[in-house]
Amino acid sequence: NAGVTQTPKFQVLKTGQSMTLQCAQDMNHEYMSWYRQDPGMGLRLIHYSVGAGITDQGEVPNGYNVSRSTTEDFPLRLLSAAPSQTSVYFCASNTGSGANVLTFGAGSRLTVL
Amino acid sequence: GQQLNQSPQSMFIQEGEDVSMNCTSSSIFNTWLWYKQDPGEGPVLLIALYKAGELTSNGRLTAQFGITRKDSFLNISASIPSDVGIYFCAGFYTGANSKLTFGKGITLSVRP
Repeated sequence: NAGVTQTPKFQVLKTGQSMTLQCAQDMNHEYMSWYRQDPGMGLRLIHYSVGAGITDQGEVPNGYNVSRSTTEDFPLRLLSAAPSQTSVYFCASNTGSGANVLTFGAGSRLTVL
Repeated sequence: GQQLNQSPQSMFIQEGEDVSMNCTSSSIFNTWLWYKQDPGEGPVLLIALYKAGELTSNGRLTAQFGITRKDSFLNISASIPSDVGIYFCAGFYTGANSKLTFGKGITLSVRP
């Protein structure tokens, strides 16, 4: 039982490049989400999904796309990276049963030059 | 939207000391959570609170769900060096499209 697995751990991009941050969970959780963490800003919700085929926007969705084709996977796509997207990204999941106790991945540190 | 206030942004204590952190909100919640983030890792749940007035312990950590449902506190007793990290509070109110709201976190440093 690996929990929530994020890849890559580190990534450097040039402005305008695209990339996908991968997130997978093996706990059969319905709810998955992506957060970004910036100094002094805490954790801000980017996108979330309450189940396969369903996604919705969080607090800071601009510049990011998501899809949820399976229960296990919830990739985050940056179509045209900008320096403002330099951040640490966390994927999280929970059962969606109302417990609202998120299990986080170890994070992906992205630098956009 | 809902906001959680955690202050100060940083705390510095001596090993062995107790430390208390507060989290306040302008809105009521029916779940309060406390997370800790170690350097280079994702946040990990420390304590979950589901009832106003609830007091819950996890080892040297004790957290309380405020009676007004607008606040919570976390107390760490007899701090040790591995207590360093960022402590986040989070609140949730059950309802349509409800989402977990996080505070900005408090960075705790423990001097040996």
